[in-house]
Amino acid sequence: RKEVEQDPGPFNVPEGATVAFNCTYSNSASQSFFWYRQDCRKEPKLLMSVYSSGNEDGRFTAQLNRASQYISLLIRDSKLSDSATYLCVGLQGNDMRFGAGTRLTVKP
Amino acid sequence: DGGITQSPKYLFRKEGQNVTLSCEQNLNHDAMYWYRQDPGQGLRLIYYSQIVNDFQKGDIAEGYSVSREKKESFPLTVTSAQKNPTAFYLCASSIRRQAEQFFGPGTRLTVL
Repeated sequence: RKEVEQDPGPFNVPEGATVAFNCTYSNSASQSFFWYRQDCRKEPKLLMSVYSSGNEDGRFTAQLNRASQYISLLIRDSKLSDSATYLCVGLQGNDMRFGAGTRLTVKP
Repeated sequence: DGGITQSPKYLFRKEGQNVTLSCEQNLNHDAMYWYRQDPGQGLRLIYYSQIVNDFQKGDIAEGYSVSREKKESFPLTVTSAQKNPTAFYLCASSIRRQAEQFFGPGTRLTVL
C-alpha cells in the first residue's frame, strides 16, 4: 500500500463549482501535511500547509481527519485558472511522502 | 529575488554518458533535496542534504551522486549506472528538514 494515496482523477468541473479531493495516508504517526499545486510540465508550488485540524485560505479549505487518516482539499467557486494537478504530501518522521496527484480541469 | 534555480531546463544525453544537473538557492535554506518525477507517479526522493558537506541517500539513490560543498549549491550527477534516467528532475530546499519544501523549475532529462 502506498504511504500517501490520491484519486488520480481527472475531475472535470464547470466554472463556479465546488470540488473536493481526498488523500489517505497509511502512517498514523504522520505529523503534518501539505497541498501543492503543479501545472503541466512545471514544478510543484506550495498551496497550503495543514498542521492541525485544518486550514483555510480564500476559496481553498484543507481539513485533516486523524481518526480516519485522510486529508481533504475543498475548492469553492472554481476558476479556469484552478486547472492543475494537486499533490498531497505527508510528513512522516523526517521524510516527505508525495501522492501521485489529482488532476483537475475546470471548464467554462 | 529569492528562489531556486535549476539548469539546464532540457538535457539530452547519450547512453553511457554521465551528466550533471545544477541546483542553486539563495533562500539561505539548510536542507536541499533531489526528486525524480515520472508520469503518473509521485515524486521520489533521490538524495537529500541537511548541511554543507553532508548528504544522505533517499529511496532511489542508485545510479546517482551528489555533493554539497556550498550551502547554496546541490548538484546532481546522473551516472551511466542509472538504467532508466529519462525523467523530470526537481530540486527543492527547506529551512530545515521537516519544513515546507520549495521547488526549482526542474530539468527534463532525455536519454537518446
